[in-house]
This record gives sequence, C-alpha cells and structure tokens, in this order.
Amino acid sequence: DVKVTQSSRYLVKRTGEKVFLECVQDMDHENMFWYRQDPGLGLRLIYFSYDVKMKEKGDIPEGYSVSREKKERFSLILESASTNQTSMYLCASSSPRTSGSSKLDTQYFGPGTRLTVL
Amino acid sequence: AQKITQTQPGMFVQEKEAVTLDCTYDTSDQSYGLFWYKQPSSGEMIFLIYQGSYDEQNATEGRYSLNFQKARKSANLVISASQLGDSAMYFCAMREGGTSYGKLTFGQGTILTVHP
Repeated sequence: DVKVTQSSRYLVKRTGEKVFLECVQDMDHENMFWYRQDPGLGLRLIYFSYDVKMKEKGDIPEGYSVSREKKERFSLILESASTNQTSMYLCASSSPRTSGSSKLDTQYFGPGTRLTVL
Repeated sequence: AQKITQTQPGMFVQEKEAVTLDCTYDTSDQSYGLFWYKQPSSGEMIFLIYQGSYDEQNATEGRYSLNFQKARKSANLVISASQLGDSAMYFCAMREGGTSYGKLTFGQGTILTVHP
C-alpha cells in the first residue's frame, strides 16, 4: 500500500512564526503535491514537485515556499505565518502518467495537518 | 468558471439504500481523467474510483460505480447498499490532458450522511 505521512496532525503557531510542514512518501513517486483545504472551497493546489529540487507553483502559492531535497520528502514552508493561513494542509504523491495506464497517476494523500495560526 | 461542480452540499441516505453524488465538469481537452475521493472525519483523502475520458465502460470498484455521461460532462458517483461507514465528505476531481504532472482540480465536495 502507498504510504504518505505528514509530520503533525495538529499544529498551533503564532503570527509571524516560520512554519515547516513535512511530508514523506514510501512509494518512490516522482510527483508530490501540497494542497490546502477550506470549507466550501474544496482543495486548492499550493505547489507541486515533479523531481528532486524541481518545483512549480500551483493556484495559490503566495505566502508559501517548498523544498524537495530528497525524492521521498516534500516540505511546505510558511515564511511568516498569518491568520489567513489557518487551514487543513494535505500532501499527496503520484507516479507520472507516462509509466503506463493513465490510472497510474492517481494521487495518494497523507492524513493532513490542521494548522491554526493565532 | 468552475471546472468541477458538485451541486449537492449535503446528502442523506438510509442504510442499505443506493445514493448518487453529482459531479459535472468543464474542459475542452479530449483526454482527461476523473477521480472520486472520500474524506472521513479523520481527514485523510481516500481514492475511490477513476474514469478515463476514452474508457468506453463505466468504472466500477466494489460498491462504487461511476455514471459517466461524456456528452453531458457529468461523472456521478453511485454508492450501492450504503453503510454507516460511508458517512464522509466526497470530492470529485479532474486531471486535464494538457495538465502537466497529473495536477488535479477538485470540486467543493458533498457531505454524505448515512442514517441507520
């Protein structure tokens, strides 16, 4: 089974703090993604990475950065946390579609981190 | 414009009955994929079922089936014989053909409550 883990289930931080959210996958997936989930808005893509040290902006990258130094690990960084970044953060990983069946790029998710910024 | 629309914020169903969760999508690509995920109260997103735009048959996975109507651009999830454990948020998502690296666009979600 695909296993995606996130460093914390719940996190409380203060405005202005630097926050690191860690995600690790054990399936040797090339692609990794960070989403935030807010009520009524579904999941919105923050950043994704298709290879070590490679990253691309998603739909809402402002206020966030990412780091991928190793294939299995993808970190989301809030340089200076703000209250409007209080949200559920979900990490996912997948193989590239070129591997074969188009179903193979199904994204598998971690348990999520519920971040509260006070 | 919304690319994925789930018009039912909440749905209720009696245990053992079937329920349909609606999803419509908007794309000009010929090649695309549609996914359904389940999110229980624990928060983890669980992959349920996949339908490719070129798949001629509707996808099925156990009690889950996808009613794919390409001309109407709809991809409704049908859950047969509902169980109490099916109570969760359900998300429809789309991967467009031109999207690099399998990026998904998600709908707003539908909360399903199964009554005993």
